[in-house]
Formats: sequence, structure tokens, C-alpha cells
Amino acid sequence: LAKTTQPISMDSYEGQEVNITCSHNNIATNDYITWYQQFPSQGPRFIIQGYKTKVTNEVASLFIPADRKSSTLSLPRVSLSDTAVYYCLVGEISASKIIFGSGTRLSIRP
Amino acid sequence: GAGVSQSPSNKVTEKGKDVELRCDPISGHTALYWYRQRLGQGLEFLIYFQGNSAPDKSGLPSDRFSAERTGESVSTLTIQRTQQEDSAVYLCASSLGRGVLAEQYFGPGTRLTVT
Repeated sequence: LAKTTQPISMDSYEGQEVNITCSHNNIATNDYITWYQQFPSQGPRFIIQGYKTKVTNEVASLFIPADRKSSTLSLPRVSLSDTAVYYCLVGEISASKIIFGSGTRLSIRP
Repeated sequence: GAGVSQSPSNKVTEKGKDVELRCDPISGHTALYWYRQRLGQGLEFLIYFQGNSAPDKSGLPSDRFSAERTGESVSTLTIQRTQQEDSAVYLCASSLGRGVLAEQYFGPGTRLTVT
């Protein structure tokens, strides 16, 4: 399993773009990168998944450079409701374990 | 449709007692996952079930923990002789696909407090 490293916490303000980077230096060829969001007292929620280059959905964008040793979750124009913990996961379909790690605690201020 | 449900939502038990936590996955989801989350910590993977395949139990913290799943339906996580360090939120998730690539849908969790 590829180990991931994320900042413990980040702060930003409403209306700003927030970028959270995850390092995964030993990512394997078959590994995908997945991000989840967790609000207090709730289970995590799937945000986005990608393998290479850029993926965009209605919530976020995921940027993955050519070497795939890191990835960046981009949240456009954040609001107070984006305050949550964000987890980066790396793995492939046959993995028997799933590592969420400690995540990044994002705090958005007015 | 209905999401993942877990019961009980809260459980307070005395040290040394056994507890059983239940998870009802989304209908049709073939995979089911159990996690533990201690206060202020990230998710700790415990075990996952995929169809009728035997699960990898190496993620369970100790032999006091066991998990069962009947077919592609309900699952139970049993903790025997509970200890104070077992206090945590136990989260269950289910997915259509398999493993980390599948979008997991989480239940609300069971908050376990061992006194």
C-alpha cells in the first residue's frame, strides 16, 4: 500500500480557492487516488477519484502530475460549509486493506 | 433510497462485557467495510467483505474482535471482553464495487463507550 502524507491542518477564507496536496512517493502503477470529506459526527463522503492528469466534477478538481508522486485536491470558492477533514487514499482494486490516514483538517473563516 | 444504517447509534458498556454492533448496507452493495475512529483521529481500517470471499482479518486490532457477514446483507462486528481503549466510533460502509477504487457510502456510526 502506498503511504500518503498530508498537512495536518489548513486555514482559509470564504470565497478563496483551497488546494490540499497529498504526497504518495511510492505509488504503484495500478494505484488510483481517491479523496474523501468528513464533517464532524458523520461518516466520510466520496469527493473525487483519478489516475492521472486532471479530473473535475461539480464539487472539486483533482490534479495529478505526470510522475503521480503527489496529487492536489482543489476546492473552488470555499464556503463555511467546506470546513471538514479531507482524506487522501491511494490503492488498487485488489488491495485487501484501505488506509485513510490522519487527513487534513480544513477550517474556513468568514 | 435508504442509506447504510448502523445500530445501536450509541452504546455504553462496562469493561469486560461483550458488545455486538450491526450494519445494514445499501441493498445490492456487494462490499462492506468496518472502520474504527477514535476521538480526533483518522479512520482505522478493520476489515472488509466482498461477496462470498473470505475476508482478510489481519486488520482487526486483536482476537477480541470478530466480524461476520451473511451473504451480501447485514454484518455484525463483535467485541469480546471490552476494554477502555475500545471506546471509539465504529463506522460501516458499503459499495457496489470492490476495494479502494469503489465509492464507499458510510453509515452514521456507532459510538461505543467502555466505562
